[in-house]
Amino acid sequence: NAGVTQTPKFRVLKTGQSMTLLCAQDMNHEYMYWYRQDPGMGLRLIHYSVGEGTTAKGEVPDGYNVSRLKKQNFLLGLESAAPSQTSVYFCASRYAGGPYNEQFFGPGTRLTVL
Amino acid sequence: DQQVKQNSPSLSVQEGRISILNCDYTNSMFDYFLWYKKYPAEGPTFLISISSIKDKNEDGRFTVFLNKSAKHLSLHIVPSQPGDSAVYFCAATAVQFYFGTGTSLTVIP
Repeated sequence: NAGVTQTPKFRVLKTGQSMTLLCAQDMNHEYMYWYRQDPGMGLRLIHYSVGEGTTAKGEVPDGYNVSRLKKQNFLLGLESAAPSQTSVYFCASRYAGGPYNEQFFGPGTRLTVL
Repeated sequence: DQQVKQNSPSLSVQEGRISILNCDYTNSMFDYFLWYKKYPAEGPTFLISISSIKDKNEDGRFTVFLNKSAKHLSLHIVPSQPGDSAVYFCAATAVQFYFGTGTSLTVIP
């Protein structure tokens, strides 16, 4: 049981380049999330998904796109990277029901845009 | 506009003493509150939570208190241990999750 995994762990991009971050979970969770963490800002929600084939915008969705074609995977795409997207990106997942509503987080992807 | 705030960026406590981490929120629609712990280069891990219908939840050395009228919650760690040194995030949810900016706790042996 690997939990939530993220690929890659580190990446350096040039302004204007594109990339996709992959999140995978093996816990059969319905909900999945993408956050970014910046110094002094905490974690901010980019996009989330409540099930396969569905996505929704979070607090800071601009410049990002997502897809949830399979229940276990949630992809975050940057079509044209900007230096402002330099951040640490965390993926999380959780069950739709249950009393605790806790999210399980991946280890993070550190992205630098030059 | 930050809906969940942690006004203390850092806190240092002697081993064995109580650590109190505070969190304030603005949205009265939040119905669930959580605390997460984060070590460097790792993702946050769930610590403890509380529903808005309760005012206290306890789990071993960790207790979370919720004061709805003040829109304030706190995490108490007793006794504090060096392994508790980490960044602690509070979070609140109604539909989406909103996180505070974190408090870095250092427990001094």
